[in-house]
Amino acid sequence: NAGVTQTPKFQVLKTGQSMTLQCAQDMNHNSMYWYRQDPGMGLRLIYYSASEGTTDKGEVPNGYNVSRLNKREFSLRLESAAPSQTSVYFCASRTGTGLGNTIYFGEGSWLTVV
Amino acid sequence: AQTVTQSQPEMSVQEAETVTLSCTYDTSESDYYLFWYKQPPSRQMILVIRQEAYKQQNATENRFSVNFQKAAKSFSLKISDSQLGDAAMYFCAYRSYTGTASKLTFGTGTRLQVTL
Repeated sequence: NAGVTQTPKFQVLKTGQSMTLQCAQDMNHNSMYWYRQDPGMGLRLIYYSASEGTTDKGEVPNGYNVSRLNKREFSLRLESAAPSQTSVYFCASRTGTGLGNTIYFGEGSWLTVV
Repeated sequence: AQTVTQSQPEMSVQEAETVTLSCTYDTSESDYYLFWYKQPPSRQMILVIRQEAYKQQNATENRFSVNFQKAAKSFSLKISDSQLGDAAMYFCAYRSYTGTASKLTFGTGTRLQVTL
């Protein structure tokens, strides 16, 4: 009963390096999301995917790209990491696009850019 | 765009007592959901309670209940009989429907301490 699985859990990058955060869900959910959480702030939406093959920008998309590889997987890529991208990243998923469905979060990925 | 405001950065409650966390939001929409999420030190986001905007009755989940005032755009969380395990960050969140997918907008959170 894995739910939403994110990898890696911890990562330290140097400025300018690239990396991809992986997310997979085993609940056959249509919608998937990437959020970031900074100190003193709530979660902010980076990108989301309403269904396989579609992606849309959220509130803070600059510096990121995403890929909805298939229904299960939704990856977040930092092409050239910056210290401002130091944050905790959360992947989430839910079964449909309607208002009532529960959203499930992964356990978070701690990213530090030095 | 919708905004969610939590004006209490920190709150403290004694074990077995009751505490209320405040949340206000701004929207022009009539159909939406509101949520309270708990985030313990592990950082996992745990759904505590949710409220549909079209329902007048306040949601209740065991020791957790809300006071939903739609006209005032207020959505407070009451925790009764507080327990040590309730200590966490609590986030209020608003969900709207965008047409392609619904998105959550979070407040900045309230850190709840529970003392003996």
